[in-house]
Amino acid sequence: DTGVSQDPRHKITKRGQNVTFRCDPISEHNRLYWYRQTLGQGPEFLTYFQNEAQLEKSRLLSDRFSAERPKGSFSTLEIQRTEQGDSAMYLCASSFRILSGNTIYFGEGSWLTVV
Amino acid sequence: AQSVTQPDIHITVSEGASLELRCNYSYGATPYLFWYVQSPGQGLQLLLKYFSGDTLVQGIKGFEAEFKRSQSSFNLRKPSVHWSDAAEYFCAVGTGLGSYQLTFGKGTKLSVIP
Repeated sequence: DTGVSQDPRHKITKRGQNVTFRCDPISEHNRLYWYRQTLGQGPEFLTYFQNEAQLEKSRLLSDRFSAERPKGSFSTLEIQRTEQGDSAMYLCASSFRILSGNTIYFGEGSWLTVV
Repeated sequence: AQSVTQPDIHITVSEGASLELRCNYSYGATPYLFWYVQSPGQGLQLLLKYFSGDTLVQGIKGFEAEFKRSQSSFNLRKPSVHWSDAAEYFCAVGTGLGSYQLTFGKGTKLSVIP
């Protein structure tokens, strides 16, 4: 396994601009997750996909956020009209669903700073 | 709703000393429990997990954790801490079939004194 890969690792953007993060999960993992982590906090669940279907979205995911996983492989997370409160690390994770539970593997994260 | 409490925000131990990080969870059903470690500016690495069976689970880097249902706890232990263990540690509970959503505690930062 090459691990979960995220790009870019760091992004500085001006308030009001759009940003997009990409995540490449571990190959053959059919589940993909996005989490957000702010300083001094644990990660918070945003959304998850099983294959290409987005099955769950947190109330944290405002209308300015959109996530896609078009072919059930990589995923993108787009934030439109960024706000300073969006500054955080965005973590992608993946897993392979099995009935008895699964292990979720995280990427290195994408840091977003909105100035 | 599920929740995880890590009572200790910051712990400092001497190298070679033993370590115990506390974790308490709230969840109505049988929980899936995890400990992750995060180095500064990095992602999360899984240390160990509990799904069922033996309540004492072994993980990587010499860590272990014990699930105590009566106390709703899943404390992480290591008999002898190394300087490289300095990091932030997160306890998490998984919910849903196949634990598709993790709820994390706020983390415990571990400092190690040489």
